[in-house]
Amino acid sequence: EDKVVQSPLSLVVHEGDTVTLNCSYEVTNFRSLLWYKQEKKAPTFLFMLTSSGIEKKSGRLSSILDKKELFSILNITATQTGDSAVYLCASGYNFNKFYFGSGTKLNVKP
Amino acid sequence: DVKVTQSSRYLVKRTGEKVFLECVQDMDHENMFWYRQDPGLGLRLIYFSYDVKMKEKGDIPEGYSVSREKKERFSLILESASTNQTSMYLCASSPPVSTDTQYFGPGTRLTVL
Repeated sequence: EDKVVQSPLSLVVHEGDTVTLNCSYEVTNFRSLLWYKQEKKAPTFLFMLTSSGIEKKSGRLSSILDKKELFSILNITATQTGDSAVYLCASGYNFNKFYFGSGTKLNVKP
Repeated sequence: DVKVTQSSRYLVKRTGEKVFLECVQDMDHENMFWYRQDPGLGLRLIYFSYDVKMKEKGDIPEGYSVSREKKERFSLILESASTNQTSMYLCASSPPVSTDTQYFGPGTRLTVL
């Protein structure tokens, strides 16, 4: 059965900490791995990864994909309270369809 | 910027009512999607459409139908709402298959009493 599993389910850190969020996938006809940030509204796109070993970076956020071990990580350095959100991982397959994980809820305390 | 709008942010309906959720995108995207989001289950695909009048079932289509009469509008219909359809409903759109990025609407939180 195809699935996307995220860990941990929730995380509490203090401002300035570095966090690593995990996403493992087992998806037939894998096309891509996407990360989204969801606050109290629509998920907003962060990264799309299709190739192993190539890090994508945007400010304090970075992500990498390992297609051999079937996982991806999202790193956030020097966390801020504005990073508090649910982070969603999704695996694209077939014609523009996606399986989503259940999300990691990150709470960054001042 | 891509804009995806949904007709209501919050909706309360009674069991057995027919419910329409509307989604409109302004970027001429071919693909549109309806998901529901429940705690611990993530987003699950209900239906998607890759063109006007074209639709395909997702993972959980039971109890739902959809309509796409115009390219910019994708409607989700609950023929006879039930309490287990209480959820957050998210609409998304995306350009053709050359990119996998989806753009989401703000969501409709539906409560069925």
